Amino acid sequence: GQSLEQPSEVTAVEGAIVQINCTYQTSGFYGLSWYQQHDGGAPTFLSYNALDGLEETGRFSSFLSRSDSYGYLLLQELQMKDSASYFCAVNQGGKLIFGQGTELSVKP
Amino acid sequence: DAGVIQSPRHEVTEMGQEVTLRCKPISGHDYLFWYRQTMMRGLELLIYFNNNVPIDDSGMPEDRFSAKMPNASFSTLKIQPSEPRDSAVYFCASSGTANQPQHFGDGTRLSIL
Repeated sequence: GQSLEQPSEVTAVEGAIVQINCTYQTSGFYGLSWYQQHDGGAPTFLSYNALDGLEETGRFSSFLSRSDSYGYLLLQELQMKDSASYFCAVNQGGKLIFGQGTELSVKP
Repeated sequence: DAGVIQSPRHEVTEMGQEVTLRCKPISGHDYLFWYRQTMMRGLELLIYFNNNVPIDDSGMPEDRFSAKMPNASFSTLKIQPSEPRDSAVYFCASSGTANQPQHFGDGTRLSIL
């Protein structure tokens, strides 16, 4: 079967750093993507790792270890607007399988 | 640039009625995806197309659901007959290639009474 595990909720304060972990078990794997979704909105793409290592995009970074079937999204200098749900998704050659999402609450 | 365009944004209808959701992908994108999002099941892929051809429809819940892509700029997802458990947000997304990011439309919020 296929499964992705990520924490359901994370709370942090403004200015802090938070890491959202994702472990996966799938039959096919091309890479790990991260998407952000605000309440009532559409998922928007944040980052993609096809190879092991760290990808940095501004305040957001994403890491992948294919041998450990593990990745994480790192959010730095948290802002109130970062309060949203964050989804990891396994890319199976076009097809995305999404995790259940992590709801991040940023407090002042 | 225009993003993925979905219509209608909201749909409320009675069970047993036919529902048609529409999607216009980003011009030049070869892949089109239909997703359903609910609190219980999360974001599920229903079906996806490559160059207007359905590639994987294993996520389509049952025969009441059908999807078509008659040309590169238009796709429909149809539910007939609709049931209350079909109530969800339905997203359409498109991407240029298999490994490029998917761009999502704003979704259709469907309520079946």
